[in-house]
Amino acid sequence: GAGVSQTPSNKVTEKGKYVELRCDPISGHTALYWYRQSLGQGPEFLIYFQGTGAADDSGLPNDRFFAVRPEGSVSTLKIQRTERGDSAVYLCASSPFGGGAEDTQYFGPGTRLTVL
Amino acid sequence: QQPVQSPQAVILREGEDAVINCSSSKALYSVHWYRQKHGEAPVFLMILLKGGEQKGHEKISASFNEKKQQSSLYLTASQLSYSGTYFCGTANNNAGNMLTFGGGTRLMVKP
Repeated sequence: GAGVSQTPSNKVTEKGKYVELRCDPISGHTALYWYRQSLGQGPEFLIYFQGTGAADDSGLPNDRFFAVRPEGSVSTLKIQRTERGDSAVYLCASSPFGGGAEDTQYFGPGTRLTVL
Repeated sequence: QQPVQSPQAVILREGEDAVINCSSSKALYSVHWYRQKHGEAPVFLMILLKGGEQKGHEKISASFNEKKQQSSLYLTASQLSYSGTYFCGTANNNAGNMLTFGGGTRLMVKP
């Protein structure tokens, strides 16, 4: 079956602009995660959804970052007033059993965001 | 605090073995291992749970030492396809939903 998909695959924007990144999880997966990966580093947790609600947003770096998942499937990560330090690969992952330490997270290919 | 992986990089000849370690300063509940090739998504390899055992996946296996708060990934008779960056992601309790990833181990297998 189809894996996690993310669009766009690449996004180049100018400092101060607003961007939206989209994630389509594996069908039927109730848990969805966003991570950010800088060059040469491991993924860094941003936010976790269980269904439609953000169950844990402790990883969002500041209030410029926001994510939604209105129907419990597709999620959008929104970044306002982008800064050069926001440049990274934004990864989305989904889990079949609602998340948790015993559940496997399946990652998408990511969106490479470049802020000029 | 993120787990520490060692070594940071390793170069192997095809057929050689390697061990990648993942150490945490906190008690571990689960360890998740992934392999990521350049420009691609991290691919899940295996998960080890507290109180669990050594697990295997083809010629790749892993162990989990709760006392040492450490997991090790074993790659035997390496193949060219094993090249990539290996990450461990850790959860410190069963209520946690996020994984904290190490900095990665870059593995290159040469013919």
